[in-house]
Amino acid sequence: EPEVTQTPSHQVTQMGQEVILRCVPISNHLYFYWYRQILGQKVEFLVSFYNNEISEKSEIFDDQFSVERPDGSNFTLKIRSTKLEDSAMYFCASNTGGIEKLFFGSGTQLSVL
Amino acid sequence: AQSVSQHNHHVILSEAASLELGCNYSYGGTVNLFWYVQYPGQHLQLLLKYFSGDPLVKGIKGFEAEFIKSKFSFNLRKPSVQWSDTAEYFCAVNAGNAGNMLTFGGGTRLMVKP
Repeated sequence: EPEVTQTPSHQVTQMGQEVILRCVPISNHLYFYWYRQILGQKVEFLVSFYNNEISEKSEIFDDQFSVERPDGSNFTLKIRSTKLEDSAMYFCASNTGGIEKLFFGSGTQLSVL
Repeated sequence: AQSVSQHNHHVILSEAASLELGCNYSYGGTVNLFWYVQYPGQHLQLLLKYFSGDPLVKGIKGFEAEFIKSKFSFNLRKPSVQWSDTAEYFCAVNAGNAGNMLTFGGGTRLMVKP
């Protein structure tokens, strides 16, 4: 089965630093998503992206966050100035559209010190 | 806004025992319902989904779930669990007015003892 890949698997950063999380969605997928899971809490929706623009975003996705599809394959999440509370597992996902089956990556564990 | 509740946070079973994991959601309109599984060290995978039609849905690996609209529930079942079913299970809901967004429950960690 095709896979969504995420790099790195674990990222450690200092508070206030910028961090970029990278994802390679499945090649024929058109919709891309970021979710996150703070330790011990629920998986939370951050943002969805289609046709080179954000289609939906949650309250969590404030001005510190941005997403980009810089080329035909990568989908990135940037956190401009990380805070301690940004520490979480960040999951990238993609699908062909609607609420059809989401394919998730293995996640990037972000630790903000 | 919709919410999803999974009341069992941790479940421990012996092999061959029957499994039922509860999931309740709060949204009065049309919903699409999902169960995802995350095996240790792996990514979230879709177990099964309900969009419409027969409320008893069969998924992969012998899992099934029943949508009971009157109870706002979508419980996951398996008649006989195996050690390899040890994982975390997440119920998720897409409400009709929520675009492509999924709202997840808090997850249930299942441990199956051999």
